[in-house]
Amino acid sequence: GAVVSQHPSWVICKSGTSVKIECRSLDFQATTMFWYRQFPKQSLMLMATSNEGSKATYEQGVEKDKFLINHASLTLSTLTVTSAHPEDSSFYICSARDPRQLSYNSPLHFGNGTRLTVT
Amino acid sequence: AQSVTQLDSQVPVFEEAPVELRCNYSSSVSVYLFWYVQYPNQGLQLLLKYLSGSTLVKGINGFEAEFNKSQTSFHLRKPSVHISDTAEYFCAVSPPSGNTPLVFGKGTRLSVIA
Repeated sequence: GAVVSQHPSWVICKSGTSVKIECRSLDFQATTMFWYRQFPKQSLMLMATSNEGSKATYEQGVEKDKFLINHASLTLSTLTVTSAHPEDSSFYICSARDPRQLSYNSPLHFGNGTRLTVT
Repeated sequence: AQSVTQLDSQVPVFEEAPVELRCNYSSSVSVYLFWYVQYPNQGLQLLLKYLSGSTLVKGINGFEAEFNKSQTSFHLRKPSVHISDTAEYFCAVSPPSGNTPLVFGKGTRLSVIA
């Protein structure tokens, strides 16, 4: 089945540094990937839609200069948290659909998430 | 726009007992419905989905859900739970067209007690 791989699974960084999270579709090509953020014991909130070869679309309230998204190829999207602060500590999850499945209404496949802790 | 309401934030249940996790949705258009499960510090795994056809949908791990259009509900059920079912469960919707993101409910924490 379709697999989405996310790396790293966890990262600890100091305040003010930048962290890059990678999301790869391993056996399919994804022109679009979705990045979600999840606070402890809360739901997943969509941050942005990553589009291959073009700019990402950010949800209202998400700082595009802080959360840089690059979708450079059909199998890789990256999220960079720039100048991280403790309030950026969260669980970040990427997802994508496999275009080979039924339709674009097929379910999203999720990576295993990245636990970011900013000290 | 769509929204999802999961009425119970936590559901404790004894092992081998039945369970129902409730989900209601709101949308001005028809939707596709999904249930995902999340184990600690992991991503989401699809349990089942409703796209069209039979309103009773069977998924993995013995779970099933029933789509009720008149009540705008998509409740998840399992006749006999196991300790390993302890996890967070999310109901989600998406519009029926386009490669669009899912809108999630706030989740229900299922705790199975031995």
